[in-house]
Amino acid sequence: EIVLTQSPGTLSLSPGERATLSCGASQSVSNNYLAWYQQKPGQAPRRLIFGASIRAPGIPDRFSGGGSGTDFTLTISRLEPEDFAVYYCQQYGSSPTTFGQGTRLEIK
Amino acid sequence: EEQLVESGGGLIQPGGSQRLSCAASGFTVSGKHMSWVRQAPGKGLEWVSAIYSDGSTDYADSVKGRFTISRDTSKNILFLQMNSLRAEDTAVYYCARIQYLRNDAFDIWGQGTLVTVSS
Repeated sequence: EIVLTQSPGTLSLSPGERATLSCGASQSVSNNYLAWYQQKPGQAPRRLIFGASIRAPGIPDRFSGGGSGTDFTLTISRLEPEDFAVYYCQQYGSSPTTFGQGTRLEIK
Repeated sequence: EEQLVESGGGLIQPGGSQRLSCAASGFTVSGKHMSWVRQAPGKGLEWVSAIYSDGSTDYADSVKGRFTISRDTSKNILFLQMNSLRAEDTAVYYCARIQYLRNDAFDIWGQGTLVTVSS
């Protein structure tokens, strides 16, 4: 199965700053079938990005996804207070689908 | 509004069984591909099982032979029957809708139900 490694484990930034989160795959992700989710404490994950770069409906345009093959990124252009959460990547190009271990985005 | 609501979690002894339910509204579970995803306390997400619109099923190796996914089309409910439970099955279990293809992102999630396996 494909192993996804997210970095950094924790990212400390201030509101208004730019955040760049990385997701590396142990093998190339077919068709760039990679998604990003946001999870806040006590809540279910929320889909942000799929197909590596397609923003889900209702997601603010400050969130953007990029990358291909084995290296992917989630960028939040200007952090809002509500963006501080844990972020997970998921590959669904190969079975079984797998998730990264998460990046915690915390307020500095 | 499209929504998923799980129930059935609780404290179960090792070796015991439990059935989780996930009630869907706003769409039909039989017309979509559906999954269960779990999250151990303080840990990341792990895919558990899927049932596809054609009725075929799939399982993670960690639960194969112990868990069974099914659906009741008349009641629009997804189930996860869990047998021979182990301490490492302790987690919040989410049901989630697979957005388009059999292998795809998850577009709708329930709020989760906590399963604790302990004596």
